[in-house]
Amino acid sequence: QVQLQESGPGLVKPSETLSLTCAVSGYSISSGYYWGWIRQPPGKGLEWIGSIYHSGSTYYNPSLKSRVTISVDTSKNQFSLKLSSVTAADTAVYYCASLLLPHWFDPWGQGTLVTVSS
Amino acid sequence: NFMLTQPHSVSESPGKTVTISCTRSSGSIASNYVQWYQQRPGSSPTTVIYEDNQRPSGVPDRFSGSIDSSSNSASLTISGLKTEDEADYYCQSYDSSNWVFGGGTKLTVL
Repeated sequence: QVQLQESGPGLVKPSETLSLTCAVSGYSISSGYYWGWIRQPPGKGLEWIGSIYHSGSTYYNPSLKSRVTISVDTSKNQFSLKLSSVTAADTAVYYCASLLLPHWFDPWGQGTLVTVSS
Repeated sequence: NFMLTQPHSVSESPGKTVTISCTRSSGSIASNYVQWYQQRPGSSPTTVIYEDNQRPSGVPDRFSGSIDSSSNSASLTISGLKTEDEADYYCQSYDSSNWVFGGGTKLTVL
């Protein structure tokens, strides 16, 4: 059974880069499938950030594309998110999820709250 | 790119049936699968419906999904409402390497 766990700093300063990692267990990333990042600002809805195929092909939300980089590290069986030039509007719970079918996010990690503040 | 529009909130009494809609702004609702996620406060989303009308194992058959091409919308129906169904529900679809979520619907069971 696939399990995912997000990790990274809970506090990031404005204008800096947010970096998160999603560790995958129960499945080898190099074997296939897509992997994704989704965020949820406090009290608001879900927003897709981007997805990556196991081969490294990436797909980003057009509204965030200029600031987002998603990468995969098959040796560590994890994938990562970098979001540059953050502002308070980027404060959110960040989730990673697997896409064992390309259209369907399941399962999800537990999420990690990232606050952007000086 | 397209958008998915959901009602902000719905409410119904225990034992009754409620339907939550999800309308696609452009392109056909039938051209890409729709998924529905349930999110309880403080928890990660979990799937209640995938591929328009399929239930993952463990999801009760009180949950059902459908699509309506005439209104270009998908619907999540929950019958025999229980207080434990009170949660936020999100629809989601996918098109041309672009994944889209609806804005979410808060279901109150009172």
